[in-house]
Amino acid sequence: SQQGEEDPQALSIQEGENATMNCSYKTSINNLQWYRQNSGRGLVHLILIRSNEREKHSGRLRVTLDTSKKSSSLLITASRAADTASYFCATASNTGNQFYFGTGTSLTVIP
Amino acid sequence: EPEVTQTPSHQVTQMGQEVILRCVPISNHLYFYWYRQILGQKVEFLVSFYNNEISEKSEIFDDQFSVERPDGSNFTLKIRSTKLEDSAMYFCASSKAGVEVAYNSPLHFGNGTRLTVT
Repeated sequence: SQQGEEDPQALSIQEGENATMNCSYKTSINNLQWYRQNSGRGLVHLILIRSNEREKHSGRLRVTLDTSKKSSSLLITASRAADTASYFCATASNTGNQFYFGTGTSLTVIP
Repeated sequence: EPEVTQTPSHQVTQMGQEVILRCVPISNHLYFYWYRQILGQKVEFLVSFYNNEISEKSEIFDDQFSVERPDGSNFTLKIRSTKLEDSAMYFCASSKAGVEVAYNSPLHFGNGTRLTVT
């Protein structure tokens, strides 16, 4: 299975702290994507990093990718209570027709 | 910003009944997907659809499931005879453009239909 696995499963931090989530996957990829899911809602795309990129930034988000270790990390800096959500990494199958999601990290930011 | 819309938001049905979940993908997208998420668990791929046919499907997507794009805007998932274990959130998603750029296209998700089978 190409499915990613996020680590940790749950993370609780104080507002203003940084939050780091990790994702490991099993096979070669073309890109890796991070999504966010608020409780009871659909997933929202946050950021995409291509296999030839090592780091990417978007606002308070920083994503790294290490294809040799088949792992990625998502860093949220200066966290806010509104960042409370589940975060998933996703990889595409070789055909690009199927995206595999990990089990998610549940982030709680305490005001 | 265009969005994927799903109806109904909540569907309650009795075991053995047929249900149809409806989705309107973003209008210029070409790839369509159904995913499901059992409460508190991982997001599971069901099926992808492109050019009016199924591109890939998972083991979950057995003969009880079917998808259809009956017109230019709707994309439906039908479950013929629902089981208790079909209770889950069902998410529709779409992505842009053709196969050659599908690798780098993010998925746009609807807010889901919560299916409860009693």
